[in-house]
Order: sequence, then C-alpha cells, then structure tokens
Amino acid sequence: EVQLVESGGGSAQPGGSLRLSCVASGFTFSSYWMHWVRQAPGKGLVWVSGIRNDGSDIRYADFVEGRFTISRDNAKNTLYLRMNSLRAEDAAVYFCATLAVADTGDYWGQGTLVTVSS
Amino acid sequence: DVVMTQSPLSLPVTLGQPASISCRSSQSLVHNDGNTYLNWLHQRPGQSPRRLIYEVSKRDSGVPDRFSGSGSGTHFTLKINRVEAEDVGVYYCMKPTHPSTFGQGTKLEIK
Repeated sequence: EVQLVESGGGSAQPGGSLRLSCVASGFTFSSYWMHWVRQAPGKGLVWVSGIRNDGSDIRYADFVEGRFTISRDNAKNTLYLRMNSLRAEDAAVYFCATLAVADTGDYWGQGTLVTVSS
Repeated sequence: DVVMTQSPLSLPVTLGQPASISCRSSQSLVHNDGNTYLNWLHQRPGQSPRRLIYEVSKRDSGVPDRFSGSGSGTHFTLKINRVEAEDVGVYYCMKPTHPSTFGQGTKLEIK
C-alpha cells in the first residue's frame, strides 16, 4: 500500500521556522520527483516546491522568495521542507505529492497543518 | 506563468444527471515531446486530492468510466455522464509540468 505521511506542522509566530517531513512507503521513492503543495483554509491548491528524484534539480514557486528549502533523503524515503521567515499567508495544509505527469503513480499524503500567528 | 481557469466554480447537479467542467489554460499545454499534459483531480471534503485523469483523457486505475476527459491545446473538459453521491467535492484541472499550476477548483454538489 502506498503511503505518504507528513509531519512537522504546527503553530509558529511570524518570522518563525518549521520543518515538515514526509515519509514514503509502498513505492520506489528514489524514482520520483517529489513536491510540496499547500492549501489555505477554504482555498485551492497551490504548488510550493519540487525536487528531482536524485536531488539534482530543485524548483520553487515565486512566492517562496528564498525562505523555504526542499530536500530529500532517499535512504530514509523522506522528503523535507524547511520553512523560515514564516508569514501569515503561509498558513495552510501542506501536502507532499508525486504530481505524476503521465501514467506513473500520482500519490498524495494526508497533509500537515501549519498555522502562523502571534 | 500559465494560468488555469475553470468554469463554473460551483456546479449543483441532480443525481443521475450529467455534469461538465471546463478548464482553459493561458498557453497551449502541448509539451515539447508532442504530448499534452493536463490532469484532473478530485478532492472530497476533508480528504487529499486524488488524480482521476492524466494526459487529457486517460483514466487512472480504479476511476469509474462515467468520468471522461477531452480537449486539446488550451481548452479541456471533464465530463461525468451520471453523477453519483460520491462525486461531490472539488474538481481541479492541473498542469503537471513545471511549474505545476492548478485551476481554482469547481465545487460539485448535489441539488
């Protein structure tokens, strides 16, 4: 059974930091691009960042503005998102996902909630 | 960047009736490799999204055949030929190639 399990969400103050993790199982994690997608309460889906299967290519949405760092540890089947300088508008559920382009597996985690307030 | 625009944003449907959602992209989604990459996702309340359709018209494993996707270039459509109660939720079209971009979502509800 494929599973993506996120953790690390919680409450942070504006300007604070959090590190999200996503542990994968049931598929060959090291073969997939992996992504973070967020969803503010009652809003739509927004792509945040993606990393190539071997970590050699990393992409960010413009709104990240150097504040977030995506990384992965294929030996641990784990994806990370380090978030610094958090803003109120970063509050959302953060999903890890494969966002498959073609007929490879498209997998999503259950999400982890990040709240940002003073 | 490409903008994905869905319509309608709200879709009340009677059980057993058809439903249709439109998605337009601000640029052609024909990729350099000649394929067109456009996904449709479904998110039930309180759940993670699930992909239904990829490459415009190919159904994912386990997706009922009442769901179909069509279109080309910049205009795409998701059709449900007979809506069932389990189809409620929000449908998103999505450009999966970098940068991944989602439509605003269409909320399907039962009348």
